[in-house]
Amino acid sequence: QVQLVQSGAEVKKPGASVRVSCKASGYTFTGDDINWVRQATGQGLEWMGWMNPSSGNIGYAQKLYGRFSLTRNTSINTAYMDLSSLTAEDTAVYYCARGVGYGLNWGQGTLVTVSS
Amino acid sequence: DIQLTQSPSFLSASVGDRVTITCRASQGINYYLAWYQQKAGKVPMLLIYASSTLQSGVPSRFSGSGSGTDFTLTISNLQPEDVATYYCQKYDSAPLNFGPGTKVDIK
Repeated sequence: QVQLVQSGAEVKKPGASVRVSCKASGYTFTGDDINWVRQATGQGLEWMGWMNPSSGNIGYAQKLYGRFSLTRNTSINTAYMDLSSLTAEDTAVYYCARGVGYGLNWGQGTLVTVSS
Repeated sequence: DIQLTQSPSFLSASVGDRVTITCRASQGINYYLAWYQQKAGKVPMLLIYASSTLQSGVPSRFSGSGSGTDFTLTISNLQPEDVATYYCQKYDSAPLNFGPGTKVDIK
C-alpha cells in the first residue's frame, strides 16, 4: 500500500535550519508530485510548495521565498524539505502529500518546534 | 493569488441531518477543487477531488458540487464519526491555497 514516512520531530533555535524527509513506497515515486503543507497548532492548513520528483520542477508559496528548498533522491524514493532562518512562527506540523495538486496520500506529519 | 473562503466557519447539527459547507474562490478555478476531512489530532484525508469525484473508500453520504467560483460539500445523514474540520483546496495552479476550514460538531 502507499506509504509516506516522514522523519522525526525536531527542536530548533531561532535562526537555524531544518530538513524534513519524506520516504515514499507503494507507488512509482516519479509518477506523482510531492506537496508540502504545514499546520500550526490550532490553525488551518497552509500549502508551502510542490515538487515533481521526475523533472525536479518546483513551485512554492511566495511568502517562503529565499528560505524554502525542495529536493529529492530518486534512488531511495525520498523527498526533502529544507526551511532556513527559522522563527517561532515556523513552529508547526509539516506534512508531505502525494498527488498532482490535491493530496491523495499524506505522511504522518513532522512536528518542528522553534524555541530559544 | 486566488483566495478561498469557507462558510460557515462552525456548524453544529444533529445526527441524521443534511449539512452543507460552501467554498468560494476569489476567481474562477474551473473544477479544480478538493475537499479534506481532518479529525482532531489526525492527518487530513482526501474526500473529494475535481469538485465532485468521491475518493475511493469515502462514504457515499459525502458529495461535492460546483465549478468556477462556488462549490459545496454536502454530508447527508450526518454521523458522529463525521465530527471534524473540513477544508477545501484549489489546485488549478500555484499557490494551491486551502480555505480556512469549517468545524463540524454534533448537537
